[in-house]
Amino acid sequence: DQQVKQNSPSLSVQEGRISILNCDYTNSMFDYFLWYKKYPAEGPTFLISISSIKDKNEDGRFTVFLNKSAKHLSLHIVPSQPGDSAVYFCAATGQTGANNLFFGTGTRLTVIP
Amino acid sequence: GAVVSQHPSWVICKSGTSVKIECRSLDFQATTMFWYRQFPKQSLMLMATSNEGSKATYEQGVEKDKFLINHASLTLSTLTVTSAHPEDSSFYICSARAGTGWSKLFFGSGTQLSVL
Repeated sequence: DQQVKQNSPSLSVQEGRISILNCDYTNSMFDYFLWYKKYPAEGPTFLISISSIKDKNEDGRFTVFLNKSAKHLSLHIVPSQPGDSAVYFCAATGQTGANNLFFGTGTRLTVIP
Repeated sequence: GAVVSQHPSWVICKSGTSVKIECRSLDFQATTMFWYRQFPKQSLMLMATSNEGSKATYEQGVEKDKFLINHASLTLSTLTVTSAHPEDSSFYICSARAGTGWSKLFFGSGTQLSVL
């Protein structure tokens, strides 16, 4: 059963515009959420995270928003750059010390110059 | 960031043979490494947690006798797919913790296994 879902397999955005990537989860026990970025032939790399005690976390051009009541999180990239073109995965985990990260299927972002 | 090297990046083998995948932490020591599997159009799923010097912990539904994990040193974990069958064809990826916290989890580049 897919506990973390990314319903958009792909997204295209013009350079300089905002990219919004969405993620939904079903398990209310999840309390920590992460976004990973993956380039071809490379492993996913950590991008940004958010704890369930917050509803927003910002790091430069990247902001993650968490809506616990809707079990929804989103990643905003502003302004989008061609180098942001990659596959983005959201992931979630619950309970301190848990070893399992639950991943979404990924969204391929293409930033058009 | 820390570097995790995974080899091979792709492998094709005949049904019934065994395949070994290596995962190395190049610039840090990892007492814990993780092995994931991803089937087409599905998400990464944790298979097992590899602990240095002790037995691996397998997730429910993962056959420990089929997917042998060895974590003999602080920088190397191996996953051996024994008697591989076409249904084992998948993308396998490892990760290792370079410190506490999920942001210190680094991934290898993955191995695409095709069993004929």
